[in-house]
Amino acid sequence: GQQVMQIPQYQHVQEGEDFTTYCNSSTTLSNIQWYKQRPGGHPVFLIQLVKSGEVKKQKRLTFQFGEAKKNSSLHITATQTTDVGTYFCAGPQGGSQGNLIFGKGTKLSVKP
Amino acid sequence: DTGVSQNPRHKITKRGQNVTFRCDPISEHNRLYWYRQTLGQGPEFLTYFQNEAQLEKSRLLSDRFSAERPKGSFSTLEIQRTEQGDSAMYLCASSLAGTPNTEAFFGQGTRLTVV
Repeated sequence: GQQVMQIPQYQHVQEGEDFTTYCNSSTTLSNIQWYKQRPGGHPVFLIQLVKSGEVKKQKRLTFQFGEAKKNSSLHITATQTTDVGTYFCAGPQGGSQGNLIFGKGTKLSVKP
Repeated sequence: DTGVSQNPRHKITKRGQNVTFRCDPISEHNRLYWYRQTLGQGPEFLTYFQNEAQLEKSRLLSDRFSAERPKGSFSTLEIQRTEQGDSAMYLCASSLAGTPNTEAFFGQGTRLTVV
């Protein structure tokens, strides 16, 4: 079945270092979404990418959608302790109008 | 508070008992989703509604699970004859279909522990 995979599963960085998480789908996606879940919290929407090769920035966060629309990345420049949490990518399940398939997430810890 | 609201926040139940969770979506949202999340995993889709119609159900949703959204507003998720494997966080989300940005707004979840 359709799968969305993320690597790495965990990432520990020193505050100020950069961080990147990668997302790969087994199928072509019409769009990809990124969510952040703080420890003990619920997923919070960050961004949606729709176009092939699209790059979007939110302050220190840069999101990219691959040319083949099967992969995506999230890059954080100069991490801060407030970036701690698990970052999930999610894409629509094929043939579905509403179902999102989530990756297992990348858990980021930042050492001050 | 205009976000997605879920009740209860925590539920501890004995194996074999029935439980029911409630979700109140953002009022103007016509889509409502139920997801299940276990430790170290991403949310897993269970089912979703557009207005009062249940449009999709995951194969994960066994016969013991049933969801309703009778008036297209709040929704309930019932689990009958709970098993220890049902222990998880049950997340509800809502969105507005037909808009360019189909982001899902999640509630804080109901954490179920089956003992």
